[in-house]
This record gives sequence, structure tokens and C-alpha cells, in this order.
Amino acid sequence: DTGVSQDPRHKITKRGQNVTFRCDPISEHNRLYWYRQTLGQGPEFLTYFQNEAQLEKSRLLSDRFSAERPKGSFSTLEIQRTEQGDSAMYLCASSLGLAGTTDTQYFGPGTRLTVL
Amino acid sequence: AQSVTQLGSHVSVSEGALVLLRCNYSSSVPPYLFWYVQYPNQGLQLLLKYTSAATLVKGINGFEAEFKKSETSFHLTKPSAHMSDAAEYFCAVSPPGSQGNLIFGKGTKLSVKP
Repeated sequence: DTGVSQDPRHKITKRGQNVTFRCDPISEHNRLYWYRQTLGQGPEFLTYFQNEAQLEKSRLLSDRFSAERPKGSFSTLEIQRTEQGDSAMYLCASSLGLAGTTDTQYFGPGTRLTVL
Repeated sequence: AQSVTQLGSHVSVSEGALVLLRCNYSSSVPPYLFWYVQYPNQGLQLLLKYTSAATLVKGINGFEAEFKKSETSFHLTKPSAHMSDAAEYFCAVSPPGSQGNLIFGKGTKLSVKP
């Protein structure tokens, strides 16, 4: 068990560019979550997957954002036409996907995005 | 909608003193409750969670929290602070019937003075 990993750890881009982040969950974890954390705030839920199915999306996830988990393992989060307001830490978490909501989520170190 | 309020964005204590970090939630139905800790440049780590079993929950590193339904609170305590406890602490709720999505408070940064 190597924990949740995220790549890259830091990304600096210019406004209008597209960026893609990757998350590798703990192996055999069925659920994968994406959160966004801005300065001085707690993480905010963006979306989550049960295996390869994307089951819920927050209204924070505008149409410029897209997430995939094609084989139910790693996931990617893409932001198109980035804006300065997208600057944040993007966190990924995974959990076993047990029934009920007491499932512990294990978080990765995050990808810090800076949009210039 | 569910919300979580953490009173005090910054708490400072002396080493060896009691740590008390406050968390209140808004819900007519008791949710599942969590405390996470975030050290600089690291991901969030679960300290403890309440799942409608015992109201006093013990976690890692000597932390514990008590669920009080009448006060809609889930405050985090530790009898004696260590320098290594300096970090940011987040309270989170998972509303009943949700898919486990967590709603976080804004966090409390704990400083420990020698």
C-alpha cells in the first residue's frame, strides 16, 4: 500500500491553457474523489467515481472541467481554458467503497495549480 | 444544506496545554463526522470519525472528540499538546444518504509554543 499519489505536484500555466492532473488511488479502492481547496478554505467536493462510473458532480464543476477514470484505476482531471480563479490545490482521495458513508477517504498530497 | 463551522481560524497553545478545537454542524439528522489533520505539503490524514456508535471517539496521536447531539457539536481535544501537533485541522461531515462526499469546515490552524 503506497498511498494515493498525484502528479504533478505543482503546475504553473498561463490563462487559457489546458491542464491535466492524474491521480493514482490505493489499489483495490473502488471509490475515487476529487476535491478543490483554495487558500483559507477547506476542501470542496468536485466529483466522485465508483469504479469507472462518474456518479456525482458538484455544481462547482463547470463545463470546462472533465474527469475520467477509464479502467476504474487511475483518474484524470482536465481543466480547459484555465482562468485565474482555477488557481487552487486539487486533492484526490480514494476509499474502499463499502456500503454506507463511514468509508474512510485517504487523501493524496494534492496538485497545486497556479494560473498566471 | 449541510454546513460545518469551525470556530477560530487560528488557535495557539503552549506545549503541554490542553488543545480544544471547535466544530459545529448543521443538520436535523446526525451525520457522520470526521476530523482530518493536514501537515504542510502533505495530504489530509484522518484523525478520527464518528459513526453513531460511542459518542466519545478516540483517534490517533492522543486526540479524541465527543459528539453532542443537543449542541450539534463535535469538538476535538487533546490533554497535552506536543510541538508535533502544529498543523491545520479540518472538521468534516458526511450527510446521511449521501455517497460519502465530505463537507469540510474552513479549518483551524494550530500553533504550539515551546
